[in-house]
Amino acid sequence: EVQLVQSGVEVKKPGESLKISCKASGYNFSFYWLNWVRQMPGQGLEWMGKIDPNDSDARYSPAFQGHVTFSVDKSTSTAYLQWTSLKASDTATYYCARPGIEGEDAFDLWGQGTMVVVSS
Amino acid sequence: EIVLTQSPATLSVSPGERATLSCRASQSFFNNLAWYQQRPGQAPRLLIYNVFGRATGVPARFSGSGSGTEFTLTIDSLQSEDFAVYYCHQYDSWPPAPTFGGGTRVEIK
Repeated sequence: EVQLVQSGVEVKKPGESLKISCKASGYNFSFYWLNWVRQMPGQGLEWMGKIDPNDSDARYSPAFQGHVTFSVDKSTSTAYLQWTSLKASDTATYYCARPGIEGEDAFDLWGQGTMVVVSS
Repeated sequence: EIVLTQSPATLSVSPGERATLSCRASQSFFNNLAWYQQRPGQAPRLLIYNVFGRATGVPARFSGSGSGTEFTLTIDSLQSEDFAVYYCHQYDSWPPAPTFGGGTRVEIK
């Protein structure tokens, strides 16, 4: 089955670091850019950026540049989203998503989301 | 960046009726527009890509239209499972960054 499976709920304190994961299965991980999307509580979707699993070329939305880092491990078909110093405003659900329709960048495959709570 | 404005914010519709959702862009782009459905507690689900294309498994009552800066998602004969939040998404060539609209909530009238 083609799927993206994300890591579980995280509860952290401001200033702590965090790395969440998105494991791909059922398709060739290197073929498709992997995108990250944020959804703050009760709010809409925000595109954070994307990474090419083939060579780790990453593109960041200006709103997230410098605050998060994307990485991949091709050996385990896993993508990661990392923070070095969390803020309360990072509280959100984070989705990984893949564009899989030929010639299109619409996201036809989504992970189930990882909820991150940052609170003192 | 391209700003997408969805209207209305909330749409109250009776089951069996038609819903028409609008997505307006701050600048014109060529057809790289998608629509997603998000039910409570679930990840978004792709409905429409490239303005008109229906994703695999999406019922025919969902259709997309539009061009330039004005795009529409139409849901014919609303079913109970269609009451959800819908987002438009432009994914024109990089740069600029892809963006999402603010969403339209379709609720039972």
